[in-house]
Amino acid sequence: AQSVTQLDSQVPVFEEAPVELRCNYSSSVSVYLFWYVQYPNQGLQLLLKYLSGSTLVESINGFEAEFNKSQTSFHLRKPSVHISDTAEYFCAVSDGGAQKLVFGQGTRLTINP
Amino acid sequence: DTGVSQDPRHKITKRGQNVTFRCDPISEHNRLYWYRQTLGQGPEFLTYFQNEAQLEKSRLLSDRFSAERPKGSFSTLEIQRTEQGDSAMYLCASLASGRVIDTQYFGPGTRLTVL
Repeated sequence: AQSVTQLDSQVPVFEEAPVELRCNYSSSVSVYLFWYVQYPNQGLQLLLKYLSGSTLVESINGFEAEFNKSQTSFHLRKPSVHISDTAEYFCAVSDGGAQKLVFGQGTRLTINP
Repeated sequence: DTGVSQDPRHKITKRGQNVTFRCDPISEHNRLYWYRQTLGQGPEFLTYFQNEAQLEKSRLLSDRFSAERPKGSFSTLEIQRTEQGDSAMYLCASLASGRVIDTQYFGPGTRLTVL
């Protein structure tokens, strides 16, 4: 069975500071990894995904995540956050068959001015 | 492409009543998923369809829950004899299978409150 652990339930940071949201997964098969973001009162939106190839993937709004197979991790980073990044972030894994997603518990990112 | 839509957005019901939610996926997406998200948790998989066939159901889906996708387009999720523990956000997602892995697009969810 697959599982995802997000190590921090809440991460407060100051605006323009760097941030890292941690995600570890377990799986006995090939994995496909996703980060979804949920802004206040909105639905889940895909932020970025790792399917194959380069282990470093980037989003259009400055986030990046690196797939580390030996560490079974897929941490999300941004070098400088903005108030608009305030949201809940979910890491998820898919097995590629049914493509159902197994989500972590979520990390609430709070940006302080 | 109008995205995944769900109706209603909010539902308040009394314990013991039946409720039904609707999900309209992105057109031409042949896979449709239902998830449940409780407060402070990530979404949990409930069931999914490929076209009109329901291919997998989670153990979370008790006998009181039933889902259909009669013509391979929209889907309904019905909960019979609701319990307070059913209070949650019910999320629907769709994707176009055909490529090895594709992105699931989520709807805004239906928030159920059982009094």
